[in-house]
Formats: sequence, structure tokens, C-alpha cells
Amino acid sequence: GAGVSQTPSNKVTEKGKYVELRCDPISGHTALYWYRQSLGQGPEFLIYFQGTGAADDSGLPNDRFFAVRPEGSVSTLKIQRTERGDSAVYLCASSLYGVEQFFGPGTRLTVL
Amino acid sequence: AQSVTQPDIHITVSEGASLELRCNYSYGATPYLFWYVQSPGQGLQLLLKYFSGDTLVQGIKGFEAEFKRSQSSFNLRKPSVHWSDAAEYFCAVGILIQGAQKLVFGQGTRLTINP
Repeated sequence: GAGVSQTPSNKVTEKGKYVELRCDPISGHTALYWYRQSLGQGPEFLIYFQGTGAADDSGLPNDRFFAVRPEGSVSTLKIQRTERGDSAVYLCASSLYGVEQFFGPGTRLTVL
Repeated sequence: AQSVTQPDIHITVSEGASLELRCNYSYGATPYLFWYVQSPGQGLQLLLKYFSGDTLVQGIKGFEAEFKRSQSSFNLRKPSVHWSDAAEYFCAVGILIQGAQKLVFGQGTRLTINP
């Protein structure tokens, strides 16, 4: 079966612009996570969804970041007024019953 | 606060040699521990996990790890590395949140294999 997919694979934008990053989890997985991986670092937790609701958004760095999962499947991470410091690889993962997380290939965001 | 330390940023070993990657964690409760591998342009792949029970856990690709509570460590080992093992390795601790787990990662160890 298909794994976690993320689109786009690469996104280049200008400072101040708005971007949306999409995650398609494994079918049937109820839990969905977003992480951010800066160059040379390990991934850092951003937000976790159980079904349609954000169960934990404590990792979102500020109010420019927002994520939704309206139908409990696909999720979109939205970043407003992008800054150069937002440049990173954004990883999505999904899991069933909260045990093993399966990661997507990530979206590399570059803010010029 | 929960944290994971991987003391070695970069390790180089010869093909066929043994490997040990170090991981130390800080967590107040019984930890859920993971090792992931990331190849260039690829997502993170789970190598193995420890939840409870036997402290020596076996994973995929011939890897194993040993949980030592007294040392707060979860080191990854492989008796004989292959060139295809060259990658970035991440240790993580799982924090329970409402029925699921938020992963806290170390900064990673980059493994280079000499032919």
C-alpha cells in the first residue's frame, strides 16, 4: 500500500509570502504529526492531530503557523508571512493507535 | 524537560567493521525509545523500538540496541556494517500525549562507510 505522501517535494518562496504544505497519511491512520527539520538538526515536533482535531499544537513556533485536518485524513500546514528562518524540511508522519510513526519524504521549504 | 543527546555528530567506519552509535536521554518516566535512519532524500525509517520487557531489542537490517536505565542510554549496534548503511541516524524518545506519542529527537549521527 501507499505510504505517507507530501506535496510539494520542494517549495521556494519569497520572504513575506504565504505557503501551504500538504500531507496525505496512510489510509486509515487516525493520528497525524508534523515535524520540522532544520539543517544539521533532528526533527522537532510541531503539531499532532487525532482525527480532525489538533490534540497538541505546543510545538508551533508562533501564530504564523497553522495546520488543519478537516476530514480526518489529509492535512495542510499553513505558514503566513514567511521568514528566512522558516527554511527547513517539513516532515509529516501518521500512525495507527499511536505506536509506530510512518514518515513521509518531506517538503523542503526555502524562503529567499 | 525531555531531551535526547547523540554525542557523536559524525562517525566513519570501514565496511565490515562493528558499529556503535551512542544515545543518552532525559525523561522522568519509563521511556519509549526509538532509532530511525534517514538516507539522503528519503523519509525517516524506523530501525527498532523499545517499550518494555527485554532490554536488548532487535531491529531491521541487522541492527540491535540495548536499553540501560542506570546509564539513561539506548545505544545502537551492528556487528558488521555494509556500505548501504551510510546514512543519518536519529535516536528519539516518545512522549505520551492523549493516546499517541510525540517524538523528541537527538540531533543525529552521520555515518560514513569506508570501502
